Order: sequence, then structure tokens, then C-alpha cells
Amino acid sequence: GENVEQHPSTLSVQEGDSAVIKCTYSDSASNYFPWYKQELGKRPQLIIDIRSNVGEKKDQRIAVTLNKTAKHFSLHITETQPEDSAVYFCAAVKGGGADGLTFGKGTHLIIQP
Amino acid sequence: DGGITQSPKYLFRKEGQNVTLSCEQNLNHDAMYWYRQDPGQGLRLIYYSQIVNDFQKGDIAEGYSVSREKKESFPLTVTSAQKNPTAFYLCASSIFLSVYSNQPQHFGDGTRLSIL
Repeated sequence: GENVEQHPSTLSVQEGDSAVIKCTYSDSASNYFPWYKQELGKRPQLIIDIRSNVGEKKDQRIAVTLNKTAKHFSLHITETQPEDSAVYFCAAVKGGGADGLTFGKGTHLIIQP
Repeated sequence: DGGITQSPKYLFRKEGQNVTLSCEQNLNHDAMYWYRQDPGQGLRLIYYSQIVNDFQKGDIAEGYSVSREKKESFPLTVTSAQKNPTAFYLCASSIFLSVYSNQPQHFGDGTRLSIL
């Protein structure tokens, strides 16, 4: 089955700096890659996603890049703010329709004031 | 998302007891999912259902059972066979457009299950 590795497990950055979280996946058939933000005790919330026919996608301060050849994708957050502090999860799924996601173990992002 | 309701928010299970977690959605989504989250871990897929009266096992289905009798409801039963049930359980749903395109999954607020 699919395996998703996520690094780093903890990331501390100064407010205003950029943060990058990286994930690798094992199944070359995977074609949909969402990113979720989860605050303590809350539900995961979708912040951005990318499909395998696209190399990069941006939404304001957030961007995701995908390298299908290397089987890795990354989340980029620019101009970080205190409210960006949370745990971020990457995920991958193959096939089509409505299959379940395989998640990475998460990155705890800490924004230092 | 306000359209996915999980209940109860907290649940306690005694040894040898089965408990059922509720998940209801009013988004008219076709697919529904159950994930388990342990402290400091990512989410792991328990079961999922793409249409009514059909469901598939995920990566950690042992000790769990589900039903999908109605489109809006996907209850999860944690049986006594699940020896380590303490976790945060999250239900999600998504629309189904085609077999070629996965759609975003949106989550409920979760149920926290503990052992007495």
C-alpha cells in the first residue's frame, strides 16, 4: 500500500520568515495530494491540494509543489504569522473516485514572535 | 465543517463493551470515511464507503465495524475485539464526481474515546 513520509516533525521559524514542509510518497499511482492544518483538539482543515497533472499551486501565502518523478511534494508558507502555528499533515491517494487518504505523521509548526 | 456532525464529543468504554460513534452529514456527499488519530500521529483509515450499502476496509479495520444504510449516516462501532481503542476518531465526507478524480475530504469535529 501507499506510504507517506513527512519531515520535519517539528519546525520553528521566526514570524515573517518562510516555512517549508516536505513529504514523500511510495506509490507512483497516487494522483491527489491534500494538505491539512490541525489546531490542538480541533478537526483537520484542508488548506490546499494539488493533483498529479499540476506542478505547482498557490493560494495567497501558501503554495504546494509536486515532483512526480521524485515522488515528493512540499508545502511552502511565506510571511508566517502567529496564527500559522499548528500541526500540518500531508496526504496522498491513488486511483479515482472516493478512496481513503494515507497521511504523513504531521509537522508541528511553531511561529516565534 | 458545519455539515458534518459527530457525536458524542467524548465517550468512555468499559472492558468488553461495544460502543457506537455517530457521524451524520447534510452536504449530500456520496463518500464517507472514518479515521483514527493517536497522539502525535497522523490519521489512519479505518473504513470508507463510496455509496449506500457498500463499504471497504481501510488500513486498520480490525476490531471495528460500520454500516451505510443511509447516504447521510455512517456509524462506526468499536467492538470489544479492539484492544487499544483510546484515540481521537474523525469522520469525513466528500463528493464523488468521477472515477478519475478524487475530491477534497472535509472533517467533523471528532469523538474522543477513552477506556474506563
